[in-house]
Amino acid sequence: DVKVTQSSRYLVKRTGEKVFLECVQDMDHENMFWYRQDPGLGLRLIYFSYDVKMKEKGDIPEGYSVSREKKERFSLILESASTNQTSMYLCASSSGQGDTGELFFGEGSRLTVL
Amino acid sequence: GQNIDQPTEMTATEGAIVQINCTYQTSGFNGLFWYQQHAGEAPTFLSYNVLDGLEEKGRFSSFLSRSKGYSYLLLKELQMKDSASYLCAVMDSNYQLIWGAGTKLIIKP
Repeated sequence: DVKVTQSSRYLVKRTGEKVFLECVQDMDHENMFWYRQDPGLGLRLIYFSYDVKMKEKGDIPEGYSVSREKKERFSLILESASTNQTSMYLCASSSGQGDTGELFFGEGSRLTVL
Repeated sequence: GQNIDQPTEMTATEGAIVQINCTYQTSGFNGLFWYQQHAGEAPTFLSYNVLDGLEEKGRFSSFLSRSKGYSYLLLKELQMKDSASYLCAVMDSNYQLIWGAGTKLIIKP
């Protein structure tokens, strides 16, 4: 069974703390993505990566950074968490080799910043 | 700008049929996706349309009209487990996905 696993389902952090969200996929996919999902809004792309050590900014990269040291792992980092980063964070992967581009999502990490 | 519109919420009865519409305005078009997301869970892929017409997959069908910038997801023989949010997404000319806000479907017995 193909799987995208996110390290934490629920986190509560304080303003200014550094936050790491980790994502691992077991499908040997080249492409990995980090989205945030907020009520009333479509998924918004934070960062994505098409290869190891490669990263590209999405639509809302401010306040975030990412790391992809291994093909299967894509980490999202909040250097100094702020209350407006309270959200559901979704990691996804896709193979991106001539297929439909179907995304496989993790269960999500719900972050609350106090 | 790029825009995907879908109704915020719909209610339907178990056993009935429901159609969830999605209209889009994007820079180019490389396909339209429908995903299902149960509350508290990950979105899962339902369908992909890149050519005009109807794609049927069991109780679910998806229709696309590129000239009208319009798609719908048709769910037949509704079951309680179909209560979920349905997300429409369009892949633009840069192969980036533009997402709608989702339609919350409530199924009543």
